[in-house]
Amino acid sequence: DTEVTQTPKHLVMGMTNKKSLKCEQHMGHRAMYWYKQKAKKPPELMFVYSYEKLSINESVPSRFSPECPNSSLLNLHLHALQPEDSALYLCASSQGRLDTDTQYFGPGTRLTVL
Amino acid sequence: AQTVTQSQPEMSVQEAETVTLSCTYDTSENNYYLFWYKQPPSRQMILVIRQEAYKQQNATENRFSVNFQKAAKSFSLKISDSQLGDTAMYFCAFMNPLLNTPLVFGKGTRLSVIA
Repeated sequence: DTEVTQTPKHLVMGMTNKKSLKCEQHMGHRAMYWYKQKAKKPPELMFVYSYEKLSINESVPSRFSPECPNSSLLNLHLHALQPEDSALYLCASSQGRLDTDTQYFGPGTRLTVL
Repeated sequence: AQTVTQSQPEMSVQEAETVTLSCTYDTSENNYYLFWYKQPPSRQMILVIRQEAYKQQNATENRFSVNFQKAAKSFSLKISDSQLGDTAMYFCAFMNPLLNTPLVFGKGTRLSVIA
């Protein structure tokens, strides 16, 4: 089973709202990723968690706050977003082993910021 | 830094025909992984095929196969017997596992399969 789930599928929020995106995997993977994807563009890496610790932050604005409560769950907390933050947010996971590290993607959350 | 180039922004192919998507990359490393991901319109990105650089044999997955030319730093994807469900964005991606660097994606090729 190579399933990564994400909720919600769609989210519309105002610039003053606080919301969270959720990602879950039950494959025993120890690395989890957040990507942002604009239309017709490749995914852009935002954060990487490895063994529940933040290992990469690609200079993402502080209005995006990741959290990894346990090895199966990854959240992305959103606050005071801008309209240009509207995009598809993808979660991915991988085994976290150096010798075999294929990433598996979730279906994404389509975010619209008004 | 590693870069991945997909020189064909859009392609089309007739149903049941064969199509090849090109990908070139630049790296000074000897050990790395290459991937092709498929993202259908408004649907999930899925792994199509994966190639380890140390393997000389080209990877295949059913109708999908790659032509991996390590010296030329080329990694093309061949889709045989194209089906309407193959319509998607295809992304080529590179990863260096020893450096544990993130995936580096190409800009993608939009493939349309025409009935």
